[in-house]
Amino acid sequence: AQTIHQWPVAEIKAVGSPLSLGCTIKGKSSPNLYWYWQATGGTLQQLFYSITVGQVESVVQLNLSASRPKDDQFILSTEKLLLSHSGFYLCAWRPGTGQDTQYFGPGTRLLVL
Amino acid sequence: GDQVEQSPSALSLHEGTDSALRCNFTTTMRSVQWFRQNSRGSLISLFYLASGTKENGRLKSAFDSKERRYSTLHIRDAQLEDSGTYFCAAEEGTNTGKLTFGDGTVLTVKP
Repeated sequence: AQTIHQWPVAEIKAVGSPLSLGCTIKGKSSPNLYWYWQATGGTLQQLFYSITVGQVESVVQLNLSASRPKDDQFILSTEKLLLSHSGFYLCAWRPGTGQDTQYFGPGTRLLVL
Repeated sequence: GDQVEQSPSALSLHEGTDSALRCNFTTTMRSVQWFRQNSRGSLISLFYLASGTKENGRLKSAFDSKERRYSTLHIRDAQLEDSGTYFCAAEEGTNTGKLTFGDGTVLTVKP
């Protein structure tokens, strides 16, 4: 069975500090991977997607970047956090064939002060 | 999102009653997914539809196969555990998995 993990579970960070969030999928080779952001009480907004290792496409510019260093790993990062980065970050995967639902991880809650 | 209009934004039901949520799309969509988000933020997949209808227990979803411009989620015999925020998400024709989410429906089921 496939499992998806995100780390950390939650973070409190200072404005201007760096950030790195991680996502790992186990039990599935060559998945499509996605990062989403959700403001408190808001809807989900897709940030990045990756079809293969080393390739990441940006959907929305929020002064964040993403990388896929391994087939099963997706990293979201920034060198300088903004207050507006606060929210809930979700990672998702789906099979590379594309004809299926996206499966979401448990998420990381980020508070920027 | 602008391309996905979800209604209603909030819904209160008594146990045992039925209701429906709807998402309209401003353009033709390839597929639609429905999710429920619980109080901890976990997003649970309910349905994926490329066309037609699907049913799972008391939930049933339909995707307009002709013009592909709307989808519905029907809840039958609502139970307390159905409470949560429901989202629809639609994918256009690029097959990259770019999903546009609706603004969500906050469902509260009361005894």
